[in-house]
Amino acid sequence: AQTVTQSQPEMSVQEAETVTLSCTYDTSESDYYLFWYKQPPSRQMILVIRQEAYKQQNATENRFSVNFQKAAKSFSLKISDSQLGDAAMYFCAYRRAMNRDDKIIFGKGTRLHILP
Amino acid sequence: DAGITQSPRHKVTETGTPVTLRCHQTENHRYMYWYRQDPGHGLRLIHYSYGVKDTDKGEVSDGYSVSRSKTEDFLLTLESATSSQTSVYFCAINPGAGGYTFGSGTRLTVV
Repeated sequence: AQTVTQSQPEMSVQEAETVTLSCTYDTSESDYYLFWYKQPPSRQMILVIRQEAYKQQNATENRFSVNFQKAAKSFSLKISDSQLGDAAMYFCAYRRAMNRDDKIIFGKGTRLHILP
Repeated sequence: DAGITQSPRHKVTETGTPVTLRCHQTENHRYMYWYRQDPGHGLRLIHYSYGVKDTDKGEVSDGYSVSRSKTEDFLLTLESATSSQTSVYFCAINPGAGGYTFGSGTRLTVV
């Protein structure tokens, strides 16, 4: 069975600094998606970034980028120039790409604090 | 997200009472999901649906049932609520671009 592990329950970073959130996953599949979701205090689940496993290039969305290491099954999220609005719970997630109805599996989350 | 709404947003109920949470989408997507979120557990799948009257169990389905009589509505029912079902419940749709779109969640407290 596929699993997603986030080993850092909480992290803190100074405003304007860079922080990296770690995620590892376990799968025997070769084709899959990986995601980072952000959950601010409003509780809304917001998709931050998505990576398709067949793409070697790391995904980037503005200040958010990932380091996708397929062989190591690692998928870390880097937030540059951290802002107060980045404070949230971040979830790493996995989904097999074989079928449209494959379900997303979530890690337990990392709570990120931004220090002013 | 404007295409998916959950109701109610908050609910307090007593142990042993039935509770129904509603998820409504305007996007006409085939796949819908119910997750629960608990501290230290992330989001865990309760039930999902791949069409009208087609539903299946997720990893934490005990004590829950679902129904989907119309494409736009997916109902989650707690037949007899217990304190262990105190949680935040999320509905999600699968627009097909890889990730899901989530509703804003229902915070359920069972006292």
